[in-house]
Amino acid sequence: AQSVTQPDIHITVSEGASLELRCNYSYGATPYLFWYVQSPGQGLQLLLKYFSGDTLVQGIKGFEAEFKRSQSSFNLRKPSVHWSDAAEYFCAVGANAGGTSYGKLTFGQGTILTVHP
Amino acid sequence: EAQVTQNPRYLITVTGKKLTVTCSQNMNHEYMSWYRQDPGLGLRQIYYSMNVEVTDKGDVPEGYKVSRKEKRNFPLILESPSPNQTSLYFCASRQTGGSEQFFGPGTRLTVL
Repeated sequence: AQSVTQPDIHITVSEGASLELRCNYSYGATPYLFWYVQSPGQGLQLLLKYFSGDTLVQGIKGFEAEFKRSQSSFNLRKPSVHWSDAAEYFCAVGANAGGTSYGKLTFGQGTILTVHP
Repeated sequence: EAQVTQNPRYLITVTGKKLTVTCSQNMNHEYMSWYRQDPGLGLRQIYYSMNVEVTDKGDVPEGYKVSRKEKRNFPLILESPSPNQTSLYFCASRQTGGSEQFFGPGTRLTVL
């Protein structure tokens, strides 16, 4: 069974500082990995995804993530955080179904990001 | 505009009173899914549907029912709601071979 762990429940950073949100997954084959962001009172928005190829993926809003198979990790990074990045972030793993197809999507517990001015 | 819509957005009900949360998508997606979101637990899948008349249980299906009679609609039914079903519910859809899952705005349900 696939699973995702986000070790940090809550992270606080200052505006302009760099950010790294951790994500560890468990899956028996090459996973499909996602990061979603949820602003207060909103639905989920896809930040970026990894299916195959280059292990460093670029997403929207200046975010990037790196897939490290040896560490079963897919950490999300941003070099300079803006106050508008304050939100909850979810890592998710999809069961590989070939091509760009995936089956069940399993989410981590989420990391709440607070940004201080 | 491509979107997933849910109704109602907010609902307060009492234990045992049957309710339905509707979900509709206008993107002709085959795959639809329901999740519940609880603090500290992330999103957990309740049910999903690969296509019309094809549904299956997710991780937390107890106390819920779904149906998929039309491609665009995937209602979530609580036959006898209980307080432990108080939660934030999200519907989502995507192409079967698609990479992005689109989420609805959420339905906040309170069962007293």
